[in-house]
Amino acid sequence: DQQVKQNSPSLSVQEGRISILNCDYTNSMFDYFLWYKKYPAEGPTFLISISSIKDKNEDGRFTVFLNKSAKHLSLHIVPSQPGDSAVYFCAASARGSSNTGKLIFGQGTTLQVKP
Amino acid sequence: DADVTQTPRNRITKTGKRIMLECSQTKGHDRMYWYRQDPGLGLRLIYYSFDVKDINKGEISDGYSVSRQAQAKFSLSLESAIPNQTALYFCATSDRGDSYEQYFGPGTRLTVT
Repeated sequence: DQQVKQNSPSLSVQEGRISILNCDYTNSMFDYFLWYKKYPAEGPTFLISISSIKDKNEDGRFTVFLNKSAKHLSLHIVPSQPGDSAVYFCAASARGSSNTGKLIFGQGTTLQVKP
Repeated sequence: DADVTQTPRNRITKTGKRIMLECSQTKGHDRMYWYRQDPGLGLRLIYYSFDVKDINKGEISDGYSVSRQAQAKFSLSLESAIPNQTALYFCATSDRGDSYEQYFGPGTRLTVT
């Protein structure tokens, strides 16, 4: 059972436009969400995160929105640049009392930004 | 130098062979993880360790074993490799505390023929 889902395997946008990557989750215990970016032949790198007590977190060109009632989060990249072309993974964690640090990842979305 | 290193970076092996993938980190983190990535499935957790004496199974541990030799070293073994273990394997580390950010190594591409 896929608890974190990224239903769009790929996305193509024009340079300068907005990229919107979506992620849905099913476990209501998840209270912390992260986005990772992965280039070919490299490991994933942390991009941005959001706690469930917030509905928006912004860092430069990257903004993550969280809609808890819909169990949905999205990553907005504005403006998109060719260097943003990569695979983006959504991840979620249920911190709780155990504080395990375990992350559950989505399948990933490949973003292509065309010059 | 990279904070999280993995060896080897690429490996081709035959069915039935034993193989070990190694991970070392210089970040001083207590927590270490092993994931595999398959197309269309994302990253799935194989094993994780909170310290040298603590080892836990992840969601897909069957066919794998791990050893935490020191705080900085966490190795993954395939006792008898099979073709469906062909995948990209990543090691990751994280610190204790409220940040759940994990730091990943560059990955090992394993092919089992």
